[in-house]
Amino acid sequence: AQSVTQLDSHVSVSEGTPVLLRCNYSSSYSPSLFWYVQHPNKGLQLLLKYTSAATLVKGINGFEAEFKKSETSFHLTKPSAHMSDAAEYFCVVSDLSRANNLFFGTGTRLTVIP
Amino acid sequence: NAGVTQTPKFQVLKTGQSMTLQCAQDMNHNSMYWYRQDPGMGLRLIYYSASEGTTDKGEVPNGYNVSRLNKREFSLRLESAAPSQTSVYFCASRYDPQETQYFGPGTRLLVL
Repeated sequence: AQSVTQLDSHVSVSEGTPVLLRCNYSSSYSPSLFWYVQHPNKGLQLLLKYTSAATLVKGINGFEAEFKKSETSFHLTKPSAHMSDAAEYFCVVSDLSRANNLFFGTGTRLTVIP
Repeated sequence: NAGVTQTPKFQVLKTGQSMTLQCAQDMNHNSMYWYRQDPGMGLRLIYYSASEGTTDKGEVPNGYNVSRLNKREFSLRLESAAPSQTSVYFCASRYDPQETQYFGPGTRLLVL
């Protein structure tokens, strides 16, 4: 079975500084990986997804993530944080052995300090 | 396109009461899903329907039942609510297993 681990439950950055949200995955074969964002009291929105094409994946709102097989990581980055980036971020893996169902990490809450 | 819609937005139940959460999608998606979200635990899959006429258990199905009423609608029923079912419930859908899942706005349920 596949799983993901989000290494930080809470990350705090100043506006205009880089964002790094860390995610490691566990997989017995090539996974599909996603990052979703959830703003307060809202549903989830897909930021980006990796499906075995390019290892550097660009998403919406200036976010990107790099799939590193040697490190089993899929960290989310953004060069410059904006106040509107404050939200909960979920790293997600799709499990081929379980009907490609999604399995979520526990989430990282991003706070952006003005 | 409304996408994925859920009703109600918020509900308070007493222990032992029953209720049905409704979900509908207008994107002609084949697969639909119910998740619950609890603090510090991410989203966990309760039940899913890979196609019209089929339903399967997810990670945490106990205490719930589902009905795939037609291609558009997928309901989640709590027959006898318990405080442990206090959570935020999300419905999602996608066209096929290779495609992106789209989520509804959620239903916040409080069981007293």
